[in-house]
Amino acid sequence: AQKVTQAQTEISVVEKEDVTLDCVYETRDTTYYLFWYKQPPSGELVFLIRRNSFDEQNEISGRYSWNFQKSTSSFNFTITASQVVDSAVYFCALNGGNTGKLIFGQGTTLQVKP
Amino acid sequence: NAGVMQNPRHLVRRRGQEARLRCSPMKGHSHVYWYRQLPEEGLKFMVYLQKENIIDESGMPKERFSAEFPKEGPSILRIQQVVRGDSAAYFCASSPAGGLAYNEQFFGPGTRLTVL
Repeated sequence: AQKVTQAQTEISVVEKEDVTLDCVYETRDTTYYLFWYKQPPSGELVFLIRRNSFDEQNEISGRYSWNFQKSTSSFNFTITASQVVDSAVYFCALNGGNTGKLIFGQGTTLQVKP
Repeated sequence: NAGVMQNPRHLVRRRGQEARLRCSPMKGHSHVYWYRQLPEEGLKFMVYLQKENIIDESGMPKERFSAEFPKEGPSILRIQQVVRGDSAAYFCASSPAGGLAYNEQFFGPGTRLTVL
């Protein structure tokens, strides 16, 4: 069975702090894809990143960085120097094999206070 | 190049009525997925369709829910005889056919269904 776990339900930080959102996944597929999406208060889903299972290279995009570790089945997301606009619900998702469907975690609500 | 479009954005129905949610995929995309987000929960897969075919409906409730993606026109998610528990945000996503892009899904803005 495939599963995504985001153990942190809510996180609150003060602006400019760094924050890491955890994501642990389970799958038996050897080829799979991992995603992060952002859902701001307006409700839409914003794609942030996709990572293939055969590419463990970490990625940095501005203040965002992702740490993919197959050994621990984790795909964690770090926001450096957080800003109020980062306040949102963040979802980690898994797409295993060729099933087509995304398996989402429960989401982590991030609140960045000024 | 327009993104995935969903309408209506907000839909209010009384118990027992029918709800029809429409999704127009991105241009050139032939795969459509529907997801449901219940209040305070993550998104749950409902159904995956290609043009005129249902590929995977393992997430669809057994009764009252149906989906189609005709040769022409948008994909439709239909909920008959709605109940209060159907109140949720319904998201549509699309992807192009073939290759690595197969697994990359682009989401629409969602339809918020409220059942009174």
